[in-house]
Amino acid sequence: GAVVSQHPSWVICKSGTSVKIECRSLDFQATTMFWYRQFPKQSLMLMATSNEGSKATYEQGVEKDKFLINHASLTLSTLTVTSAHPEDSSFYICSAGGGGDWTDTQYFGPGTRLTVL
Amino acid sequence: GENVEQHPSTLSVQEGDSAVIKCTYSDSASNYFPWYKQELGKRPQLIIDIRSNVGEKKDQRIAVTLNKTAKHFSLHITETQPEDSAVYFCAASLGSNYKLTFGKGTLLTVNP
Repeated sequence: GAVVSQHPSWVICKSGTSVKIECRSLDFQATTMFWYRQFPKQSLMLMATSNEGSKATYEQGVEKDKFLINHASLTLSTLTVTSAHPEDSSFYICSAGGGGDWTDTQYFGPGTRLTVL
Repeated sequence: GENVEQHPSTLSVQEGDSAVIKCTYSDSASNYFPWYKQELGKRPQLIIDIRSNVGEKKDQRIAVTLNKTAKHFSLHITETQPEDSAVYFCAASLGSNYKLTFGKGTLLTVNP
């Protein structure tokens, strides 16, 4: 099956610093990747849709200047949380479509747990 | 935009019993409906999905049914086992490269 990796798996940073999270599709090419945020005991909230070679599409209420997304290749998308604050602490998960018989199937990365002190 | 409602939010069953989780969606254009299982601290894993040209799909102990007219779909797990305990999410999408809209999740507990 399709494999999506994410790095790092967890990160602790000080308030005001920036953190970059990488999402890679390891055995398939992903034109589109998605970034989600998940709070404890809650559902996945889509933050943005990342399209290779073009600007990301952000969901309403998500600050695009704070959550910078770059999709430089068909196998890599990055999310940078700029000037992180404690309220940005969360579980960030990416997903990528394709890789199997149906391109509408999405496979998730293992997630990155961000803690901002 | 799409809205997905999921019920129940929690479900507790005895080992060996069946479990049913139901979802409704609002956008009649949605045509792809996956179900994900998420264990604590881990990634959501696709367990089964169904497309709008199919009414039912089964994979061993797991089945999904879709009623396009009523705009609802359900997950059925038979002969439940303790390892089925997890949070289950339903989702709906317009298809390839479109975003998934998730339900709020169902915490399933299977008691030995």
